[in-house]
Amino acid sequence: GENVEQHPSTLSVQEGDSAVIKCTYSDSASNYFPWYKQELGKGPQLIIDIRSNVGEKKDQRIAVTLNKTAKHFSLHITETQPEDSAVYFCAATPIDSNYQLIWGAGTKLIIKP
Amino acid sequence: DVKVTQSSRYLVKRTGEKVFLECVQDMDHENMFWYRQDPGLGLRLIYFSYDVKMKEKGDIPEGYSVSREKKERFSLILESASTNQTSMYLCASSSPTESYEQYFGPGTRLTVT
Repeated sequence: GENVEQHPSTLSVQEGDSAVIKCTYSDSASNYFPWYKQELGKGPQLIIDIRSNVGEKKDQRIAVTLNKTAKHFSLHITETQPEDSAVYFCAATPIDSNYQLIWGAGTKLIIKP
Repeated sequence: DVKVTQSSRYLVKRTGEKVFLECVQDMDHENMFWYRQDPGLGLRLIYFSYDVKMKEKGDIPEGYSVSREKKERFSLILESASTNQTSMYLCASSSPTESYEQYFGPGTRLTVT
């Protein structure tokens, strides 16, 4: 079955700098890759996603890139702000998943003032 | 606005007690999920339901059961709570006819003493 690995587990960046979180997946048939953000005391919330027929997607300061050949995808946050501090999860959906998501272990992003 | 609510934010139970965690969604979603979240382990799926009275085991169903008598409500049951079930429990819902996006509740922090 699908397996998703996420790195790093903790990332500390200076406010205003960029942050990059990377995930790899094992099932080449996976076709949907979302990123969720979990703020303290809340459940995860979808922030951006990408499908396997697209290589990159942007939404203001966040972007996701997908390399199907290498089976990895990344979240890029530019001009980081204090409110970006959170735990970020990547996930993948295999083609026969019945709408389940296979989750990475999470990355705690710390924005230093 | 999309809403998933969980019956308790914090719960303290004794070893051997029967514990009920309730989740209600107001979006008429077919799919509902129960996850367990532990540091460094990400989100692990306990059970998944794709329709009323239908359920599928996830990755870690041992020690848990579920009930879905109505479309909007999905209950997680710990038949005999143990200390290794101390964790954060997250409920989510999604609609297979709309997208893969899962909407999460705020979580229940369960402590078993």
